[in-house]
Amino acid sequence: KAGVTQTPRYLIKTRGQQVTLSCSPISGHRSVSWYQQTPGQGLQFLFEYFSETQRNKGNFPGRFSGRQFSNSRSEMNVSTLELGDSALYLCASEPTGATDTQYFGPGTRLTVL
Amino acid sequence: GENVEQHPSTLSVQEGDSAVIKCTYSDSASNYFPWYKQELGKGPQLIIDIRSNVGEKKDQRIAVTLNKTAKHFSLHITETQPEDSAVYFCAASKSGGSYIPTFGRGTSLIVHP
Repeated sequence: KAGVTQTPRYLIKTRGQQVTLSCSPISGHRSVSWYQQTPGQGLQFLFEYFSETQRNKGNFPGRFSGRQFSNSRSEMNVSTLELGDSALYLCASEPTGATDTQYFGPGTRLTVL
Repeated sequence: GENVEQHPSTLSVQEGDSAVIKCTYSDSASNYFPWYKQELGKGPQLIIDIRSNVGEKKDQRIAVTLNKTAKHFSLHITETQPEDSAVYFCAASKSGGSYIPTFGRGTSLIVHP
């Protein structure tokens, strides 16, 4: 089976712009979670989607949003980018059912200038 | 909320030695404890996990132990090899539909040949 894929892998934006990141989960996985990874804060949970519904949300401002499509693919959007949004954004998918075993993608490295 | 402390932040060992990484958690309701390995330029990869109804789990050279009373769990790697060099993360969460893991800050393991 193909693993979790994320596009693009690298992205450079300027302050004030918005960005959309994409994640394709492992085939058959219906849950997709997003994380932000920075040297200062480590790995932090953003949100989780299951069957097109946001099931859980971390402690991030409303500038961070996401959605999931009927094929389980997910996108996250960050509006009005700030320098502090520079990070590795990771997507993880989970098999159908509450197994809690998450499989991570390679991430999208976002740099905000 | 849950708080996960991970030590040490850096661990340097000689090839063939054992390595131990320790994590403590604060929420006694947490019952799922995965460990991830993250290599440079890649997303975290699940290497082993343990649930609260088990005290120890082993997979070849890797083992995890859990002490629910003390609220700590440890990763043990025996006969370390240079390819074990990576950043290791522990996490804690409550299993089920509201799965929001809290991660430790990571341990950079360096195995010298």
